[in-house]
Amino acid sequence: EDKVVQSPLSLVVHEGDTVTLNCSYEVTNFRSLLWYKQEKKAPTFLFMLTSSGIEKKSGRLSSILDKKELFSILNITATQTGDSAVYLCAGAYSGAGSYQLTFGKGTKLSVIP
Amino acid sequence: DAGITQSPRHKVTETGTPVTLRCHQTENHRYMYWYRQDPGHGLRLIHYSYGVKDTDKGEVSDGYSVSRSKTEDFLLTLESATSSQTSVYFCAISERAGGSSYNEQFFGPGTRLTVL
Repeated sequence: EDKVVQSPLSLVVHEGDTVTLNCSYEVTNFRSLLWYKQEKKAPTFLFMLTSSGIEKKSGRLSSILDKKELFSILNITATQTGDSAVYLCAGAYSGAGSYQLTFGKGTKLSVIP
Repeated sequence: DAGITQSPRHKVTETGTPVTLRCHQTENHRYMYWYRQDPGHGLRLIHYSYGVKDTDKGEVSDGYSVSRSKTEDFLLTLESATSSQTSVYFCAISERAGGSSYNEQFFGPGTRLTVL
């Protein structure tokens, strides 16, 4: 059975701290690893990682994939209160007619002033 | 934001009644998905569509059916709602989902369904 495991489940940090969120996966016919940010609404796309060892960056956020160890991390530097959200990791796999996503349960990040 | 709307946004219904949720997109994307999100379970795929009239089951399809008669609309039907189907339902769309590239899925605003 495919699974995506995120850790920690929740995290509380102070503004300005750097955080690392973890995602391990066991996904058959794996194609890519995606990160989403979910505030009190729909998930919004952050990154898609397909190649191992290549870091993707967007402002203070960065992510990298290790396809040998089946692992990805999401780093957020100089955290702000606006970073408070649930961060979702998903493994994309090829299935009948389409790619599908298997999601982890998320990491709830709370950034306090 | 991707042009995805869901209706209704909130619904309260009683056990045993039929319920239909609608997802409408203006992006002309081929692939559409229905998920449910529950505490402790995360997002789980119910059904998906890879073209008009082409649909398939996801991880938690029991008790749900879907239809897609045109590119822009994907309907999720609960034939006889149960309390276990109380959840937040998200629709997602993707432009491509095969071949040499994979496009990310964009999510609609969600529908909160309560079955009493």
